[in-house]
Amino acid sequence: SQKIEQNSEALNIQEGKTATLTCNYTNYSPAYLQWYRQDPGRGPVFLLLIRENEKEKRKERLKVTFDTTLKQSLFHITASQPADSATYLCALASQNFVFGPGTRLSVLP
Amino acid sequence: DGGITQSPKYLFRKEGQNVTLSCEQNLNHDAMYWYRQDPGQGLRLIYYSQIVNDFQKGDIAEGYSVSREKKESFPLTVTSAQKNPTAFYLCASSPQGYGYTFGSGTRLTVV
Repeated sequence: SQKIEQNSEALNIQEGKTATLTCNYTNYSPAYLQWYRQDPGRGPVFLLLIRENEKEKRKERLKVTFDTTLKQSLFHITASQPADSATYLCALASQNFVFGPGTRLSVLP
Repeated sequence: DGGITQSPKYLFRKEGQNVTLSCEQNLNHDAMYWYRQDPGQGLRLIYYSQIVNDFQKGDIAEGYSVSREKKESFPLTVTSAQKNPTAFYLCASSPQGYGYTFGSGTRLTVV
């Protein structure tokens, strides 16, 4: 069956460190993958899109990798700040987008 | 300032009652979507529309209905047939092949 998993429900890291979030999928062949940020009680906000022929994408302190062999995407936030605390969702492009359950990141001062 | 407007922010439904959630966008996007979000679960697709006067069922369409009479508007009706409607409902739009723009959501509670 098709499945999208994000590494952990919650992740705590110290301010200034790099946060790494994982998105694994099975039985999908997405042409591209996206990452979103969601704050409590708000809609998700689009962050980055990476296509299947791209290994890596960067935007300011954010970096996304996409390994179609491992069926995995990694999302990195470097020099993390308490303001980065939120839930991060990955989404695969299938017939429509399919969202993972999210990882709640807490950056501790 | 372009975006998606969902209303109301909070909605209370009595047993057996139909309620309609509003979604309006001024981004000129062709595609619009309705998702449901429950605690600890990913967003689940209810209905989507790629073009005016056409819409398709998503993964959990039972108990819901939609219309797409205008490009800007995609209202969702939660009918009495939906047995567990308490959830956070999100509307989104997108140009083809790129990221979604989401509204701020409607929290529906059955009382």
